[in-house]
Amino acid sequence: GQNIDQPTEMTATEGAIVQINCTYQTSGFNGLFWYQQHAGEAPTFLSYNVLDGLEEKGRFSSFLSRSKGYSYLLLKELQMKDSASYLCAPRPGAAGNKLTFGGGTRVLVKP
Amino acid sequence: GAVVSQHPSWVICKSGTSVKIECRSLDFQATTMFWYRQFPKQSLMLMATSNEGSKATYEQGVEKDKFLINHASLTLSTLTVTSAHPEDSSFYICSARDGQGRAEAFFGQGTRLTVV
Repeated sequence: GQNIDQPTEMTATEGAIVQINCTYQTSGFNGLFWYQQHAGEAPTFLSYNVLDGLEEKGRFSSFLSRSKGYSYLLLKELQMKDSASYLCAPRPGAAGNKLTFGGGTRVLVKP
Repeated sequence: GAVVSQHPSWVICKSGTSVKIECRSLDFQATTMFWYRQFPKQSLMLMATSNEGSKATYEQGVEKDKFLINHASLTLSTLTVTSAHPEDSSFYICSARDGQGRAEAFFGQGTRLTVV
């Protein structure tokens, strides 16, 4: 099975930086996804890390450490529209196809 | 590319009736589709994984006779909520993966089901 742990909620100010941590335990490992979900909408894909290290994509970066079972999503220059839930989803090895999510982190950006 | 269309976006039905939700991949062939439900302010809960042409794999605690999943083609999967009860009211979302090199799954718009 899988065990995924993320903070429930974070608050930050517009223009600031926020780091959302995710720790996980899976049977096998095939990469880790981050998705963004606005209230009442479907999730949208943000990033997929397979190898250790930091991957930067505009204002969003994602980091992975496979040995530590740890990832983070870094949101820079926060904008009001970044207020959403951020979902961490490790992709297990043996189960292959399954895509299960952590509880998600609700980020609230204040002016 | 990678568009997943889910229909209907919302539905209200009476207790005891059945509701069918469709999930279509519009510009790719979806070898695997996932069905989730989500209660307010909670995360997505995986209900089942379906592969084209074979029976769906249900998660523990999800009644397969109540939530019927059919993945009859590479572009269509359906979820039928049978004998719906008010506690089945939820947001149901499908996602699809194409198995052609892209690892990520793409999500439909979701269906808000209200059972009265």
